Amino acid sequence: DIQMTQSPSSLSASVGDRVTITCRASQDISYYLAWYQQKPGKVPKLLIYSVSTLQTGVPSRFSGSGAGTDFTLTINSLQPEDVATYYCQKYHSVPYTFGPGTKLEIK
Amino acid sequence: EVQLVESGGGLVKPGGSLRLSCAASGFTFSGYYMNWVRQAPGKGLEWVSSINPRSTSIYYADSLKGRFTISRDDANKSLFLEMDTLSVDDTAVYYCARSAGAPGLFDYWGQGSLVTVSS
Repeated sequence: DIQMTQSPSSLSASVGDRVTITCRASQDISYYLAWYQQKPGKVPKLLIYSVSTLQTGVPSRFSGSGAGTDFTLTINSLQPEDVATYYCQKYHSVPYTFGPGTKLEIK
Repeated sequence: EVQLVESGGGLVKPGGSLRLSCAASGFTFSGYYMNWVRQAPGKGLEWVSSINPRSTSIYYADSLKGRFTISRDDANKSLFLEMDTLSVDDTAVYYCARSAGAPGLFDYWGQGSLVTVSS
């Protein structure tokens, strides 16, 4: 099975900062990469799919990039409401594996 | 408005069984893949199982070792997860999730149902 890894596992940044989270797949997953945001005590929310397509309603400060095995989630101008754990996920075939998550906090 | 409401969670002893339900509304349930995803306390997300419309394709995480059974009732817009031979490692919040376009892409999630396996 394809494994998903993320780095860093946690990070702390200041409001207004640009934040980058990396996701790596153990094999080529083409563009079948999604990002989910889970705020503390809340349900996961689909943020980005097909590497870079924002789900409806997601602020434009979020963006995704990458291809094949290496992917990035970028948050431009970090806001207090972005405090959450972010998960990448491969979805082109079962098992639909999630990455271990990156916990984002505000300094 | 799409709504997914899970029920059936609770406390069960190791080796026991439990059946989770997910009631769907606000969309044409019969036209969508549906899924279960779980999250152990303080841990990450783990895909559990998926079922396609008409139940002709069903998938499970290998880690379940045949103990879980997913099913659906399209007439009543409901998704189910039958869980047998439960162990403490199955303790988690179980989310019902709808697939968006691609089967493995989850666009709507329920609030979750907590399953606690403990003696």
